[in-house]
Amino acid sequence: EPEVTQTPSHQVTQMGQEVILRCVPISNHLYFYWYRQILGQKVEFLVSFYNNEISEKSEIFDDQFSVERPDGSNFTLKIRSTKLEDSAMYFCASRWSANYGYTFGSGTRLTVV
Amino acid sequence: AQSVTQLDSQVPVFEEAPVELRCNYSSSVSVYLFWYVQYPNQGLQLLLKYLSGSTLVKGINGFEAEFNKSQTSFHLRKPSVHISDTAEYFCAVSDPRSGGINYKLTFGKGTLLTVNP
Repeated sequence: EPEVTQTPSHQVTQMGQEVILRCVPISNHLYFYWYRQILGQKVEFLVSFYNNEISEKSEIFDDQFSVERPDGSNFTLKIRSTKLEDSAMYFCASRWSANYGYTFGSGTRLTVV
Repeated sequence: AQSVTQLDSQVPVFEEAPVELRCNYSSSVSVYLFWYVQYPNQGLQLLLKYLSGSTLVKGINGFEAEFNKSQTSFHLRKPSVHISDTAEYFCAVSDPRSGGINYKLTFGKGTLLTVNP
């Protein structure tokens, strides 16, 4: 069964450093998402991406965040200057069509120290 | 704005017992409803979904859920659980008015189901 692949599974970074979280969505999917879950809290929507542009972003997704699909296969989330409160599990997801369900990746646990 | 409440953060049960995981949502409009499961070190896997039609929805692994509009609930049930059902379960809602492009999900905090022998 096709999978959404996220790397790395766990990343530790120092406050103020830039991090890039990587995702390989399912190859024929058209809609891409990032969600995050701070420990003990809800899974929260960050951003959706379609046709090479952001289609919606939450208030969490400020200027420190950016997404990119550089080569038609990877989908990345960049945090320019990490803060302690960015520590969370980040989930990538993709969908084939509007009426098709999400497929989520296993997540990247980001720890900012 | 939508919100989802999962009343129980942890539910311990014995193997072969029935289980119900509760989910209530808050929305002034019709919504789509989902249950996801997360096994240790794995991603979120769709268990079942309600989009329209019959209020009783059957999903994978013997789970089912019933949509109750008057009570704004979408409780998940299984008549007899197995050890392998131990996982975190998330209820989520999506507003179909948000458009086909987005269909972003609003999640509850999750319920950890622990099945004991």
